[in-house]
Amino acid sequence: DSGVTQTPKHLITATGQRVTLRCSPRSGDLSVYWYQQSLDQGLQFLIQYYNGEERAKGNILERFSAQQFPDLHSELNLSSLELGDSALYFCASSTTSGSSYEQYFGPGTRLTVT
Amino acid sequence: GDSVTQMEGPVTLSEEAFLTINCTYTATGYPSLFWYVQYPGEGLQLLLKATKADDKGSNKGFEATYRKETTSFHLEKGSVQVSDSAVYFCALIYGQNFVFGPGTRLSVLP
Repeated sequence: DSGVTQTPKHLITATGQRVTLRCSPRSGDLSVYWYQQSLDQGLQFLIQYYNGEERAKGNILERFSAQQFPDLHSELNLSSLELGDSALYFCASSTTSGSSYEQYFGPGTRLTVT
Repeated sequence: GDSVTQMEGPVTLSEEAFLTINCTYTATGYPSLFWYVQYPGEGLQLLLKATKADDKGSNKGFEATYRKETTSFHLEKGSVQVSDSAVYFCALIYGQNFVFGPGTRLSVLP
């Protein structure tokens, strides 16, 4: 158990809908990362927050947005969903921001868009 | 941009065989390098890391050495076990770049 929790575990929704994925980092971790894992694209970095502020942006679509709240939990919002958005979404956290720090991954949320 | 290339597998070995999973990278600077492992139905777990050239990371019998001259970070284990069956990801982190390889699926047969 990494200490990172993600809810829900599974989500099934229809095209065009909007969903929110939630992540609680390990106690004391200030940095939260979001990744998308799909069969054709592998593991893609989406976005990083550090202590409530956006720190880095990867391959995140404009239909997707995220935020980190004062209690450090984070939410990833996916809107106007398409079939291709079906994937595993992982959240990870680390103590601080920096390339040598280990990221601890949550168990993921499996999103299925029908 | 920064990238990671690794053998995609699947790799199938017998128990106690020697394992090598190749990983090479392209980076504009001097990244930190990581191997993560993903067991079925779980998130990724850090296996080992190296933050500068010639560093050797090791954990649970796995080793990898940061080779700047060949831009490589190959994963090795002398004697694999059935419990090592998983997907292994090579990754680099440099600044605000977080890049993972495609993963290599390893199956170890008894």
